[in-house]
Amino acid sequence: DTEVTQTPKHLVMGMTNKKSLKCEQHMGHRAMYWYKQKAKKPPELMFVYSYEKLSINESVPSRFSPECPNSSLLNLHLHALQPEDSALYLCASRRDGYNSPLHFGNGTRLTVT
Amino acid sequence: AQSVTQLGSHVSVSEGALVLLRCNYSSSVPPYLFWYVQYPNQGLQLLLKYTSAATLVKGINGFEAEFKKSETSFHLTKPSAHMSDAAEYFCAVSDDSNTGNQFYFGTGTSLTVIP
Repeated sequence: DTEVTQTPKHLVMGMTNKKSLKCEQHMGHRAMYWYKQKAKKPPELMFVYSYEKLSINESVPSRFSPECPNSSLLNLHLHALQPEDSALYLCASRRDGYNSPLHFGNGTRLTVT
Repeated sequence: AQSVTQLGSHVSVSEGALVLLRCNYSSSVPPYLFWYVQYPNQGLQLLLKYTSAATLVKGINGFEAEFKKSETSFHLTKPSAHMSDAAEYFCAVSDDSNTGNQFYFGTGTSLTVIP
């Protein structure tokens, strides 16, 4: 399997900025995920897209807006974030089937100032 | 919902010593279990997965895990620790309910390897 690519690797933004995180995979996986991870903690699920439709939203604040333009791309639009939103944001994808593992990108390190 | 519990948030071993990281699952049906490793400033990398084909599962980097239904455990082991094994390790379970597509992670174990 090839990798999941996330851009940018690092992002610093002010609380009034609008920015986007991008995730891309070319493994033909139809489920894509956004996770938020704080230091020394497990990943926390934010959103799941299945066949390009939002299937899970874990009560994430509206300042985070996901988008799945096609089966290979996943975006996370950020607006009016708070300093406590600073974290590592991980994208993952997965083949159909409960025995299929998640394939993770290397994440975007976000700092909100 | 399914869940996994990792006992020991920090484990230290000497280089060359046995590595044992513990994971217990909570499931009324056979689960799909996974171990991931995370190096600093990187994403999670799959070490191995249990999918009921065999109770002893071999993974990458010399790691293996044994599924024990009687103990509801899926502990990760490596016979001889290497300095490069120092990382965060997560056990995870896939949800096979109708909610679908859910993964539940344990709280993680930080492995330190002492030279």
